[in-house]
Amino acid sequence: DAGVIQSPRHEVTEMGQEVTLRCKPISGHDYLFWYRQTMMRGLELLIYFNNNVPIDDSGMPEDRFSAKMPNASFSTLKIQPSEPRDSAVYFCASGENRIYGYTFGSGTRLTVV
Amino acid sequence: KQEVTQIPAALSVPEGENLVLNCSFTDSAIYNLQWFRQDPGKGLTSLLLIQSSQREQTSGRLNASLDKSSGRSTLYIAASQPGDSATYLCAVYTGTASKLTFGTGTRLQVTL
Repeated sequence: DAGVIQSPRHEVTEMGQEVTLRCKPISGHDYLFWYRQTMMRGLELLIYFNNNVPIDDSGMPEDRFSAKMPNASFSTLKIQPSEPRDSAVYFCASGENRIYGYTFGSGTRLTVV
Repeated sequence: KQEVTQIPAALSVPEGENLVLNCSFTDSAIYNLQWFRQDPGKGLTSLLLIQSSQREQTSGRLNASLDKSSGRSTLYIAASQPGDSATYLCAVYTGTASKLTFGTGTRLQVTL
């Protein structure tokens, strides 16, 4: 298995633009997690899905953030409009359960200028 | 709210030294504690998982201990090597929050 695949690896965009981050989880994993990592706040859980259904989105910072999982093999995290404070590394992880054994992708480094 | 703290934030040691990384958490009602390794520009790799009923776990040169009542864990790395250079993160799964809470990590550099 190729692991959790995220795209793009790097994204530089101007403030106000829409940004879409993509994730392909490991086949057979029922859980998918989106995390954000910054120097100040470390790794924070934004949202997670179970069997394509959003379970907990309490970590989503604002309405500008939205996430979807239209099928078991694909998820997106969208920021519209983007702001400089959204600059961070965004990680996707998948797992067979929600308690341990996650596999993380390599992340998308987002820079909003 | 669960808070996880890691000390020190950064550490530099010469090759061959044994070292200890510390992790503390505020809510002792945890299901498990995990240690991860993160290399620059990469995702996280799970190193060790300690269930709440366990005291320690070992994998090769790594040994992690858990004292749930005091809210502490240590990661012991024996005979450190340059390839151990990375950021080490601890994370706890708390039932009340139903999520994994991460510390901010310890950046380790092992020099030749």
